[in-house]
Amino acid sequence: KQEVTQIPAALSVPEGENLVLNCSFTDSAIYNLQWFRQDPGKGLTSLLLIQSSQREQTSGRLNASLDKSSGRSTLYIAASQPGDSATYLCAPHNNAGNMLTFGGGTRLMVKP
Amino acid sequence: EADIYQTPRYLVIGTGKKITLECSQTMGHDKMYWYQQDPGMELHLIHYSYGVNSTEKGDLSSESTVSRIRTEHFPLTLESARPSHTSQYLCASSESVLHGEQFFGPGTRLTVL
Repeated sequence: KQEVTQIPAALSVPEGENLVLNCSFTDSAIYNLQWFRQDPGKGLTSLLLIQSSQREQTSGRLNASLDKSSGRSTLYIAASQPGDSATYLCAPHNNAGNMLTFGGGTRLMVKP
Repeated sequence: EADIYQTPRYLVIGTGKKITLECSQTMGHDKMYWYQQDPGMELHLIHYSYGVNSTEKGDLSSESTVSRIRTEHFPLTLESARPSHTSQYLCASSESVLHGEQFFGPGTRLTVL
């Protein structure tokens, strides 16, 4: 059964810092991996979808990398802003069962 | 921009009531999903559907039921709500392609007194 761990669980930084959020998963048999953002009490917003054949995927100030064989993905946020404050979730899409498995998320606070 | 809607956004009801949480999407996606998320906790899949008249249970056991009579609509029903059902319920959909990107609705926050 796939298990997903996100480190750190919480992070508080001043505005302008570059950040790295880590995600590890136990079953490397994945098809792709999604990174999401969740604001308090809200639904999830898809940020990036990275295919298992890709090493990186970029969208604006966000860059996601994937090392499928070692079961790791990182989300890099450049020049963080207060509006980036949210919980960030990673979810590998397992080959078997065709389902997403979610980690516990990283709660990010960017202070002005 | 994902077009997936959930109503109501917030619901407070008494124990024993029957409730239906609505989820609709206008993207023509065949696959739809229901997740449950307790405050500060992980999301868990409780139901999914690959198309009309197709419904399956997810990883987390749930007393709720779902139906899929129309492609765009995937309602979730609790026949007799209990305080243990208090949670946030999130609906999602994806294209028919294998392992397609999932898009989420805004969620329904349910409180059962």
